[in-house]
Amino acid sequence: DTEVTQTPKHLVMGMTNKKSLKCEQHMGHRAMYWYKQKAKKPPELMFVYSYEKLSINESVPSRFSPECPNSSLLNLHLHALQPEDSALYLCASSQDWTGWETQYFGPGTRLLVL
Amino acid sequence: KQEVTQIPAALSVPEGENLVLNCSFTDSAIYNLQWFRQDPGKGLTSLLLIQSSQREQTSGRLNASLDKSSGRSTVYIAASQPGDSATYLCAVRGDQGGSEKLVFGKGMKLTVNP
Repeated sequence: DTEVTQTPKHLVMGMTNKKSLKCEQHMGHRAMYWYKQKAKKPPELMFVYSYEKLSINESVPSRFSPECPNSSLLNLHLHALQPEDSALYLCASSQDWTGWETQYFGPGTRLLVL
Repeated sequence: KQEVTQIPAALSVPEGENLVLNCSFTDSAIYNLQWFRQDPGKGLTSLLLIQSSQREQTSGRLNASLDKSSGRSTVYIAASQPGDSATYLCAVRGDQGGSEKLVFGKGMKLTVNP
């Protein structure tokens, strides 16, 4: 099973709202990632968690707050977003964070900020 | 800084044609190269991963090659089908001893006409 699941599939939120995106994998992977993808653009890395610790933050604004409660779960907490944050948010996981592994992506959450 | 290029950006072919997808990268210090498929509004599906020490990798009708020294990878798709229509993304995992993130090309949109 190489499945990464993400909820919700779609999310509409106002600029004053607080919401969370959820990602889950049960492949025993120890590295998990958040990517942001704008229309007709490739995915851009936001965060990397390795063994439940934040390894990389690609200078993401603090209105995005990641959390890794356990090795299977990855959350992205959203607060005071801007309309330009509307995008497809993709979660991915891999066996480890050594560079050799395949990354498996979830279906994404399509976010619209009004 | 690693740059990944995919040319052409779009390709339209009749069903049954054999195809070659191209990917080039500027820095040969890579762990691996991964090819993905993305259907409209969906997440990424991993198709093939080629380690830096490999020259070729096959999965079903897809055959991928890697020439690290010249910074190129190609995917050969035999007997294309309408179901192959999607955007194909190539991504390299750098070996720069630091932030070894996936660097994506902008993708190639493939349309296979019945």
